[in-house]
Order: sequence, then C-alpha cells, then structure tokens
Amino acid sequence: AQSVSQHNHHVILSEAASLELGCNYSYGGTVNLFWYVQYPGQHLQLLLKYFSGDPLVKGIKGFEAEFIKSKFSFNLRKPSVQWSDTAEYFCAAAGTGGYNKLIFGAGTRLAVHP
Amino acid sequence: GAVVSQHPSWVICKSGTSVKIECRSLDFQATTMFWYRQFPKQSLMLMATSNEGSKATYEQGVEKDKFLINHASLTLSTLTVTSAHPEDSSFYICSARASNTEAFFGQGTRLTVV
Repeated sequence: AQSVSQHNHHVILSEAASLELGCNYSYGGTVNLFWYVQYPGQHLQLLLKYFSGDPLVKGIKGFEAEFIKSKFSFNLRKPSVQWSDTAEYFCAAAGTGGYNKLIFGAGTRLAVHP
Repeated sequence: GAVVSQHPSWVICKSGTSVKIECRSLDFQATTMFWYRQFPKQSLMLMATSNEGSKATYEQGVEKDKFLINHASLTLSTLTVTSAHPEDSSFYICSARASNTEAFFGQGTRLTVV
C-alpha cells in the first residue's frame, strides 16, 4: 500500500537555525513528490515538487528538497529559517499521470521563535 | 498557479440532512480530483479519488453511500454528505490535478452538523 511517513511531528527552532524535515515514501512505480505548506488559517500551498531530472529541487521561500531514490526519501531543507516559516509542512506522493491518488504524510508542525 | 474554488467555505446543517460541497478548477481541466478530510491538527486523510466521467475510488473505511462524489466534467466535482450526523463535522478539502502536474487545493469547507 502507498504511504508517506514524516519523522518529525513537532519542530521548534530559533530564527536563523537550519531546518531539515524528513520524509519517506512507499509507492509502487514512478512517483511524483511534493512538499506543501499550510500557514495558520490558510489553505495548502505548494512549496516544491519533484517529477524527474535533477534530484535536488528548489522551491519558493528558500526551501529545497533532495530526492534520494535508494532511500525512498524526499527531505525538505532550509539553511536559515525565519519566524514567518512557522506553519505545518506536509510531504505528499502521487503516481505519475493524473489518475493516481495523492497521499499525504502526517505533517510536521514547525514553530520558529524570534 | 492554477485556482481551485471550493464552495461553500463553511456550512451548518441539521442532523439528518444532506450537504453538497462543490469543487471547481477555474482555469484548467482537472483529470483527477481528490477529496480529503482534515481533523484538527491532523493531516489530510484521503477519502476518494475522482476521475471525470467515471466512478470515484473510495479509500478503505470511507462509506461511499454516505459520501457521494460526482465528477461530471473536467472542471467540477461535488461531494454530498448524506444524512449528516455530528460525527461528520470536519474540514473537507478538495484538490484538482491535471496529468503530471501538482495538485491545487481549494480553500476547504468547514462542516458543522448540529
């Protein structure tokens, strides 16, 4: 069965600290991977995505993620977080083509203190 | 990015009545639409995957007779919660995706059954 696992449920950091959120997936066949962010009171927004090509993908707001196929991982990173990064982060996976279901990890709640 | 409009954004209904939630992709044709349920401070739980013109595929444990999904066109899907009960109160989110693109999310519908 398909699944997405996020290792950290709650992360608390100070501003300027580095961030890495773990994500592992189990999904048969070729997979598309995503990181979404949900700011308080807002709907989900795409941070970045991986479909193919360079396994290091850069997204908005200074975020990046690395797809490591051998480890079935797609960890999210940011070298220096800001208070405005306080949000919930979701890793997601879907099969290629539009017909495969998009499933989410449990989410990681990030709190950044000034 | 593409826009997905979900309506209504909130609804209160009496126990035993039915509620319909609409999800529209405004500027693209959605090959697939997804319906999720999100409990407070939890991740998105996939309820069903809907492809235009075909029956929705429900996740295990989701009652298809209670949560009726119709995907009549490439821009519209509806979720009808039939004979709603207080335990159906939740935040329902739709998502739309074209082939090999990321999914775009509606703003969600908060359903309260009294």
